[in-house]
Amino acid sequence: DQQVKQNSPSLSVQEGRISILNCDYTNSMFDYFLWYKKYPAEGPTFLISISSIKDKNEDGRFTVFLNKSAKHLSLHIVPSQPGDSAVYFCAATFGTASKLTFGTGTRLQVTL
Amino acid sequence: DAGITQSPRYKITETGRQVTLMCHQTWSHSYMFWYRQDLGHGLRLIYYSAAADITDKGEVPDGYVVSRSKTENFPLTLESATRSQTSVYFCASRGTSGITSEQYFGPGTRLTVT
Repeated sequence: DQQVKQNSPSLSVQEGRISILNCDYTNSMFDYFLWYKKYPAEGPTFLISISSIKDKNEDGRFTVFLNKSAKHLSLHIVPSQPGDSAVYFCAATFGTASKLTFGTGTRLQVTL
Repeated sequence: DAGITQSPRYKITETGRQVTLMCHQTWSHSYMFWYRQDLGHGLRLIYYSAAADITDKGEVPDGYVVSRSKTENFPLTLESATRSQTSVYFCASRGTSGITSEQYFGPGTRLTVT
């Protein structure tokens, strides 16, 4: 049972445009969400996170939105740059648990 | 070098062999994790450790063994490798500064079981 789902395996966006990556979850216990970025042959790196007490968190070009009633979060990248081309993983956790549950990832390609 | 390292980076082994993947971190982080990454499954937790000598199962622990005698090391052993264990394995660590402390990942080990 996939508790964190990323239904779009891939996304292609033109440079300068907005990239929107989506993530859905089923476990209502989740109260903290993270996005990781992964380049080929490297480990994932932390990008941005959001607590369930917020509905938005912004860091430069990256903004994460959380809709708890819909159990949905999204990552917006504006403007998209070629260096943003990578696989993006959504992850969730709850309470004092240290474990993260990851989605299957979305491959973003930013074209010139 | 500071950070989190994994060795080997690439490994080919035969079915039935025992193989150990190494993970070392220099931050003295309490928590360490092992994940495997497979197409269509994302990252799945195999085992994790909250401190030296404390380990617990994750989502897919069968066929794997871990130990943590020192804070900085967290080896993962495949006791009798199977083809289904062909995967990319990532080690991660995090501190104890609350839930907002993100995990830091190593570069991964690509394991092929023939």
